[in-house]
Amino acid sequence: DAGVTQSPTHLIKTRGQHVTLRCSPISGHKSVSWYQQVLGQGPQFIFQYYEKEERGRGNFPDRFSARQFPNYSSELNVNALLLGDSALYLCASSSVIGQFLSSYEQYFGPGTRLTVT
Amino acid sequence: RKEVEQDPGPFNVPEGATVAFNCTYSNSASQSFFWYRQDCRKEPKLLMSVYSSGNEDGRFTAQLNRASQYISLLIRDSKLSDSATYLCVVTRYTGTASKLTFGTGTRLQVTL
Repeated sequence: DAGVTQSPTHLIKTRGQHVTLRCSPISGHKSVSWYQQVLGQGPQFIFQYYEKEERGRGNFPDRFSARQFPNYSSELNVNALLLGDSALYLCASSSVIGQFLSSYEQYFGPGTRLTVT
Repeated sequence: RKEVEQDPGPFNVPEGATVAFNCTYSNSASQSFFWYRQDCRKEPKLLMSVYSSGNEDGRFTAQLNRASQYISLLIRDSKLSDSATYLCVVTRYTGTASKLTFGTGTRLQVTL
């Protein structure tokens, strides 16, 4: 079975530009979450979507936005890029949220490495 | 204070050694606990869930102490292939979202 896929794998952008990152969850998974991981830190929660609705947002500016499509794939958009946006952007999918926390797991994609120059 | 705190290491140990990682969390509403492993420039991968009763998977043992808000991971008979960053993760259902909060990770280097 295919795991979580993300595209592109690497991306170089200039300050002020816009970027769109894409994620396809594991088949049957309805929840997608986005995380930002800067070098030397753990991943930081950006968004969670479930059944095409935003269910949670981390402490990120409005320059960050996302959406989930009817096929449960997702896009993360970042406007007006800053040097500090350079990071590994991870997408994770899960089959449920909240209800079965004892078995709750998120499976991560390989990430998109964004470099802002 | 960070919501999840770990000693960043690095821990440099010889092959065959036993090594222990600790993690503390500040939000008593945290509900599920995990250890993830992350290899250099790769995505995190679930290593094991952590339960109050403790759980073991081969050479790995994880323990949760809810009263002290403390999680541990013990690796016995370390292998070179265990070299990685180990991330402590706590989850909390906010009412609308299941949020994972990661520690900064503890780097382990196993040497010959």
